[in-house]
Amino acid sequence: EIVMTQSPATLSVSLGERATLSCRASQSVSSSLAWYQQKPGQAPRLLIYGASTRATGIPARFSGSGSGTEFTLTISSLQSEDFAVYYCQHYNHWPPLYTFGQGTKLEIK
Amino acid sequence: QVQLQQWGAGLLKPSETLSLTCAVYGGSFSGYYWNWIRQPPGKGLEWIGEINHSGSTNYNPSLKSRITILLDTSKNQFSLKLSSVTAADTAVYYCARGIKTAIRGVITNWLEPWGQGTPVTVSS
Repeated sequence: EIVMTQSPATLSVSLGERATLSCRASQSVSSSLAWYQQKPGQAPRLLIYGASTRATGIPARFSGSGSGTEFTLTISSLQSEDFAVYYCQHYNHWPPLYTFGQGTKLEIK
Repeated sequence: QVQLQQWGAGLLKPSETLSLTCAVYGGSFSGYYWNWIRQPPGKGLEWIGEINHSGSTNYNPSLKSRITILLDTSKNQFSLKLSSVTAADTAVYYCARGIKTAIRGVITNWLEPWGQGTPVTVSS
């Protein structure tokens, strides 16, 4: 089973600054990686798929990069609505299994 | 725009069977996998399983012995049954559409959209 590990667990950043979140896969997943944002009491929302493609309606300040085992979600200029928990996700085709990272909580500094 | 709306019993006793339903509005069942995911209080996301439009299923091996996911294409709905629940099954349960496509030659899967979530508590 491929294990997804996110770091840091909590990231404190000021409004208007850049935030960089990391996700590492225990073995290569090529570019098969997605990122989600979850706010308290809400369902996760897709931000990025295919490691770097923004989902429909996602602001350009969100960008994804990486391939293989190392991935990054960057938020270029933090807005108040960006403070949330972020998850990375991979789907293993055999055996079929979605795996999620444990999440990074982005909080206001 | 596809929307998912889910419902089901929110309070169960140990050993009972959890039963949830998710309705799909504004889109077709064909070409996608339909998923269940759960999130224990204060914790991360755990995938439960998926079903496609022809009824083919994939389940999380850690839950496989207790899970049944079914499809009702006439109603555009799919459902989850989880048997013999314990307190460890207390969580918010989400349904979601699974999308698979090839991007730059790499097959990749993601989940979008998600249902609103159903909190389920197992307590005696």
